[in-house]
Amino acid sequence: AQKITQTQPGMFVQEKEAVTLDCTYDTSDPSYGLFWYKQPSSGEMIFLIYQGSYDQQNATEGRYSLNFQKARKSANLVISASQLGDSAMYFCAMRGALNTGKLIFGQGTTLQVKP
Amino acid sequence: GAVVSQHPSRVICKSGTSVKIECRSLDFQATTMFWYRQFPKKSLMLMATSNEGSKATYEQGVEKDKFLINHASLTLSTLTVTSAHPEDSSFYICSAVGTSGQETQYFGPGTRLLVL
Repeated sequence: AQKITQTQPGMFVQEKEAVTLDCTYDTSDPSYGLFWYKQPSSGEMIFLIYQGSYDQQNATEGRYSLNFQKARKSANLVISASQLGDSAMYFCAMRGALNTGKLIFGQGTTLQVKP
Repeated sequence: GAVVSQHPSRVICKSGTSVKIECRSLDFQATTMFWYRQFPKKSLMLMATSNEGSKATYEQGVEKDKFLINHASLTLSTLTVTSAHPEDSSFYICSAVGTSGQETQYFGPGTRLLVL
């Protein structure tokens, strides 16, 4: 069975500093995809970044990068130069190759950026 | 990224009434849409997978007669909460995937349902 674990219920970071949000996963699928979404208080889910299991390089999207360590089954999100608008809940999710595109979500991490 | 809309954004209804929520992919065709439910400060719980032109696939524990899903076209899926009760009050959010099924899921803005 697939499983996603986010062990940090809440995190604080000072504005302009970098922060790492942890995500570990478990799957028996040889091919899978890992996603990070941001959910501000308004409730919308905003897609941030994607990493395929066969991708050789870590994914990056602007200030977001994914530290993908396949052997350790971790896919941590790194946000550089934090901004006040980064305060939100962040979800890690996984899609396996054998299902119909369903995502399995982690428990989420609430990030608060301090001025 | 692709745009998914959801309507209404908020709805308050009386116990016993039915509520319909629409999910539309605005700039792409979505053969598959997903419906989630989310309680405050919790993760998203997948309720069902909606495929265009076929019956929805419900997750274990989700009552299909309670939560009716219709995927009428490649850009529209609807969720109807029938005979709503206060315990159905929640945040409902849909997502849509392009035709390959292995693409990124894009989410609608969600619907907050309050049943009195």
